[in-house]
Amino acid sequence: GQQLNQSPQSMFIQEGEDVSMNCTSSSIFNTWLWYKQDPGEGPVLLIALYKAGELTSNGRLTAQFGITRKDSFLNISASIPSDVGIYFCAGQGGSEKLVFGKGTKLTVNP
Amino acid sequence: EAGVTQSPTHLIKTRGQQATLRCSPISGHTSVYWYQQALGLGLQFLLWYDEGEERNRGNFPPRFSGRQFPNYSSELNVNALELEDSALYLCASSWGGGSYGYTFGSGTRLTVV
Repeated sequence: GQQLNQSPQSMFIQEGEDVSMNCTSSSIFNTWLWYKQDPGEGPVLLIALYKAGELTSNGRLTAQFGITRKDSFLNISASIPSDVGIYFCAGQGGSEKLVFGKGTKLTVNP
Repeated sequence: EAGVTQSPTHLIKTRGQQATLRCSPISGHTSVYWYQQALGLGLQFLLWYDEGEERNRGNFPPRFSGRQFPNYSSELNVNALELEDSALYLCASSWGGGSYGYTFGSGTRLTVV
């Protein structure tokens, strides 16, 4: 089945630093999504990407849909303590269900 | 607009018992998905229901089952509970095939003792 490789698995950074995480797959996806999960809550959609090469921003967050359609990255600029959580990438090819990465756990030290 | 609602928020059961978890999707969403998340780790796909039918099932034993009702709400049943079933169970809903993303509920925390 389709699988997503998300890295890094965890990150420990200082407040104010920039963060970068990515997802790769051996399969082509038509849609890439990035979610954030706060402790004890369900994941919340941050950014959705629908076209190869697309670069989309949402405040301090920027995500890109890779040209090959097999990868995507998420950048967070000037991190703040509330950025703490688990970030998941998700991809969809055709009409199948979303495939989720294993998540990147982000810790921000004040 | 109400989001995806799950009940109960917390559930404590004894090993061997049965647990029933409920989910109400966003109005207009026809697909419901169930995920298991243990120890704050990744999302393990359990079940996908659309228009009352089971569309896909993850790699879980048959004692994990569910259904979707005519109003698109859903319930997840876990029979013969085992200690390792303790986890956060997340329900999500989507319109159509989900290419606009899934909307997740806050989950049911199941603890098996």
